Amino acid sequence: GQNIDQPTEMTATEGAIVQINCTYQTSGFNGLFWYQQHAGEAPTFLSYNVLDGLEEKGRFSSFLSRSKGYSYLLLKELQMKDSASYLCAVMDSNYQLIWGAGTKLIIKP
Amino acid sequence: ETGVTQTPRHLVMGMTNKKSLKCEQHLGHNAMYWYKQSAKKPLELMFVYNFKEQTENNSVPSRFSPECPNSSHLFLHLHTLQPEDSALYLCASSQDLGTSNEQYFGPGTRLTVT
Repeated sequence: GQNIDQPTEMTATEGAIVQINCTYQTSGFNGLFWYQQHAGEAPTFLSYNVLDGLEEKGRFSSFLSRSKGYSYLLLKELQMKDSASYLCAVMDSNYQLIWGAGTKLIIKP
Repeated sequence: ETGVTQTPRHLVMGMTNKKSLKCEQHLGHNAMYWYKQSAKKPLELMFVYNFKEQTENNSVPSRFSPECPNSSHLFLHLHTLQPEDSALYLCASSQDLGTSNEQYFGPGTRLTVT
């Protein structure tokens, strides 16, 4: 079966760095997405990785290792507004997105 | 402003009611999706439309009936729902199907079945 695993909840301090991991087992791979979802709001796109390596976009970076079935989202200089759920999703061989359950990130002052 | 709107934002309905959810995208996209999001569970893809044609129906019960009259509008018709159907229903769109096409989500309809 297809499976996406990510931690249910993480806590970090304002100004610090946090890494949210995602491991996947899917039938085929056509890229990995990270989305941010604030409580009661729509998910919004953060990043897309299809090749191995690190993609940096401001305070957020996303890493992919296809051989390990592994990705992480790195958030630097955390701000209170970063408190949200972070969803990992993999596009499988049928070009459908398989979603993880999300990681709720709590930022403390 | 995501460019994808959904109405209503909240809906409470009895198990014998019939209601419809509406989604509209103003982005000129060709693909539209319905998802179900339950607490602490992964997003569940329900239906996919590409150029108004349904391409996926992920074993969704027949009490959910989609309609896509054009590339900008998507409906989800609901009838004789069960309490376990209570969830957030999200609509999304993307330029096309396939790789690197990020999906843009609407704010969702919070559905409660009593």
